[in-house]
Amino acid sequence: EAGVAQSPRYKIIEKRQSVAFWCNPISGHATLYWYQQILGQGPKLLIQFQNNGVVDDSQLPKDRFSAERLKGVDSTLKIQPAKLEDSAVYLCASSLAEGTRAYEQYFGPGTRLTVT
Amino acid sequence: GQNIDQPTEMTATEGAIVQINCTYQTSGFNGLFWYQQHAGEAPTFLSYNVLDGLEEKGRFSSFLSRSKGYSYLLLKELQMKDSASYLCAVSNQAGTALIFGKGTTLSVSS
Repeated sequence: EAGVAQSPRYKIIEKRQSVAFWCNPISGHATLYWYQQILGQGPKLLIQFQNNGVVDDSQLPKDRFSAERLKGVDSTLKIQPAKLEDSAVYLCASSLAEGTRAYEQYFGPGTRLTVT
Repeated sequence: GQNIDQPTEMTATEGAIVQINCTYQTSGFNGLFWYQQHAGEAPTFLSYNVLDGLEEKGRFSSFLSRSKGYSYLLLKELQMKDSASYLCAVSNQAGTALIFGKGTTLSVSS
């Protein structure tokens, strides 16, 4: 089975520019997560979707970050304008919404963002 | 508040056994997870504990004590490829995202 796909893998931008990341979850996984992982730290949730609805976006800096999952499958995360402290790896993960294995999250390879 | 603590770094030699500890304080509890993350790669699932006790899976075992807010990951017969960051994470409610610790970087030498 294909894993979680993300693109691009790497992105370098200047501060105040905008950037978008794309994620395609595992087929059939209704729940999708975007995490931010700063170097030397564990992943931190930005936003969680179930199908095309937002479950949790309490830690998303909404003045600059936005995310959507319009058809309940793939998702985009956007940063506009970017700040230096946004330099991080952006991980997308997916899981089943229910069932005995619903707890298991599968991560994509991530997008490494560098803001200069 | 939510807090997950684990050591920052550990070192060990090939063939040895290493135990990585994790303590947690969260507003709820619906399971404790261990993930392995090689440098520059995505985290991969290792184990899930929701009840007290030891879960064994090959060379890796994970233990949970809910009353103590404590877990450990035990790695036996260490191999060089086990050099990675090991992330402890807690789900505080079914269907919600994970809360991760900062990770423990394990270096295995020959």
